[in-house]
Parts: sequence; C-alpha cells; structure tokens
Amino acid sequence: QSALTQPRSVSGSPGQSVTISCTGSFSDVGTYNYVSWYQQHPGKAPKLMIYDVTKRPSGVPDRFSGSKSGNTASLTISGLQSEDEADYYCCSFAGVDKVFGGGTKLTVL
Amino acid sequence: QITLKESGPTLLRPTQTLTVTCTFSGFSLSTSGMAVGWIRQPPGKALEWLALIYWDDDRRFSPSLKTRLTITKDTSKNQVVLTMTNMDPVDTATYYCAHRLPVTSWDYFDHWGQGTLVTVSS
Repeated sequence: QSALTQPRSVSGSPGQSVTISCTGSFSDVGTYNYVSWYQQHPGKAPKLMIYDVTKRPSGVPDRFSGSKSGNTASLTISGLQSEDEADYYCCSFAGVDKVFGGGTKLTVL
Repeated sequence: QITLKESGPTLLRPTQTLTVTCTFSGFSLSTSGMAVGWIRQPPGKALEWLALIYWDDDRRFSPSLKTRLTITKDTSKNQVVLTMTNMDPVDTATYYCAHRLPVTSWDYFDHWGQGTLVTVSS
C-alpha cells in the first residue's frame, strides 16, 4: 500500500482540463513543500513534470501545473492532448524517506 | 547531454544478491550538488525509491530496505553500483537509476536510465 493516495484513473477529452489528486498526511505532503510529479508512458522511464509543488523543469509545457492544499497535492493538465495519456505518480518528502503515490492512469478520450 | 544506463543480471534465484550498475555521462559525480539515485518498479505497480548517493559520498536509503542495500560510486568510471542482498520474488522489478536535479532543496530526478528488469525466481 502506497503512502500517498491517488485515484486509479482519470479521463478527459482533448482540450479539456483534468486534475489528479495526491493525498498524504501531516507527516509528508501536509508539512513539506517537496512534492513532485512524474509522467510515465508505457514501457518508458518516468519523466519529471513538477517539483517543489509548483515548479516546472525546463522543457515541460506550462499546461502542466501543480498545487497543494493541506495534505493533498494536485496536478492539473490543461488543454489536454493525446500525448498526455500516461501514468502519473506523485512523490513527497517524508522525513528520511521519499514516498510515491500508487499512480493514476490518465486516458485522453 | 545527460544519459544513464543500467546493467545487471536479468534473473536471480531467491536469497542471491543483486548488483546493478549505473553508467552515466554528461555530468560528474564529483561536482557539488550532484547525486544519483535508484528507484524500482514492480511490473504493473508503483515506483519505489531505494537509495541515493551524493557527490560528497553522503548516502541515503529507504528505511524499509536499508538493511539490505549498499550504494557506491566510482567517479573515475562514472558509475554508481547498487547491491541488494537476500533477493526475493517480491523484489522482481525494473530497476532505474536517475540523476538528481541540481540546485534544488530536495531530491528530484530529472534524467532517468531506461531501466533494467530483474526477475527473482527459483
């Protein structure tokens, strides 16, 4: 069982926006602004999309944005495109550990 | 251009020790702020962080696996080696090495290897 809870799946149509939630606890997401999001296409390595809750690495489109409220972090993808269809994992600092969520499969309808 | 590539056995028997090597290019692990980590992913399951080694030889481990893990670096060869003892079928996974995004307050992985699938079976 993952320390961070994500919905198993979300979906949206091209052009729409979707939000993926990542719920932790006071011990991780709730206290530390060290939350990241990774995108993973089938058979591929993960790709860093968001770090420090809201920051985007160079090259990541501004359609991807991150936020946090209380113990829940969120990834929002606006203007959905077919290539956004992938698995998404959140990750948070948790003391001496780094904990991942169980992953969310995004389907672009 | 930063690249990383994992190498190691594809099949292990239970109780054996796993040794996987990450060979990288495009950066030096002797440069301040640099680090290389290991993350694994069982088939169809979530990512799990394992270990991290920094430029100054500081090492961090997953608390749940700490007693089984060793991580070392060879800066002259641009390699990082992870060993995991007492392998079990539940350790079957793709093992990734990854480069730490520098100049950040915490550890984020911005470049990943392609991963190497390790199967543990008798």
